Amino acid sequence: GEDVEQSLFLSVREGDSSVINCTYTDSSSTYLYWYKQEPGAGLQLLTYIFSNMDMKQDQRLTVLLNKKDKHLSLRIADTQTGDSAIYFCAERRSNDYKLSFGAGTTVTVRA
Amino acid sequence: DSGVTQTPKHLITATGQRVTLRCSPRSGDLSVYWYQQSLDQGLQFLIQYYNGEERAKGNILERFSAQQFPDLHSELNLSSLELGDSALYFCASSGAGAYEQYFGPGTRLTVT
Repeated sequence: GEDVEQSLFLSVREGDSSVINCTYTDSSSTYLYWYKQEPGAGLQLLTYIFSNMDMKQDQRLTVLLNKKDKHLSLRIADTQTGDSAIYFCAERRSNDYKLSFGAGTTVTVRA
Repeated sequence: DSGVTQTPKHLITATGQRVTLRCSPRSGDLSVYWYQQSLDQGLQFLIQYYNGEERAKGNILERFSAQQFPDLHSELNLSSLELGDSALYFCASSGAGAYEQYFGPGTRLTVT
């Protein structure tokens, strides 16, 4: 099965908060990442969190990490139409440099 | 703009052909990674180079090869192309520690 799992779709009203969830299986994951991909574009690094942290906040973005449950979430406050995109969760394991990605969550912001 | 450049943006070729994709990392980054994004496989790591040397290999087919040159740019060579090789190919780069990988805009390969 997949090492990193995400729900495939999320629809949110403009101005509301979005929460995108991700689970991973490897307890040796040292860094966990969120990337954004807009149509026809590359992957934009949004934020990442080290495994010894519980939370990281960066402007409208809040990352929460529950290491016990191997659960990662990305909260986007005051969601805007420009936030419509595919969001990928990724993990990097210790002694490894590659990123393992989830399938991506398509976020649609409706007016 | 991540600072990683990839050429060409689009490539259309026939089965059995060979193509070369090019990547220039961000200034100062020594590591280059190649990923393939397809509808059925998602984003998959192919290979990593660090300062000219291969460092890690992922799900890369034997028909595919890569190299990193002294000026740190990298090329991904795909040969004996099959329809299933149609995908987006991304290059990423990182500095020392590799905490952050920055992705280029990708090359969309279509094999007909």
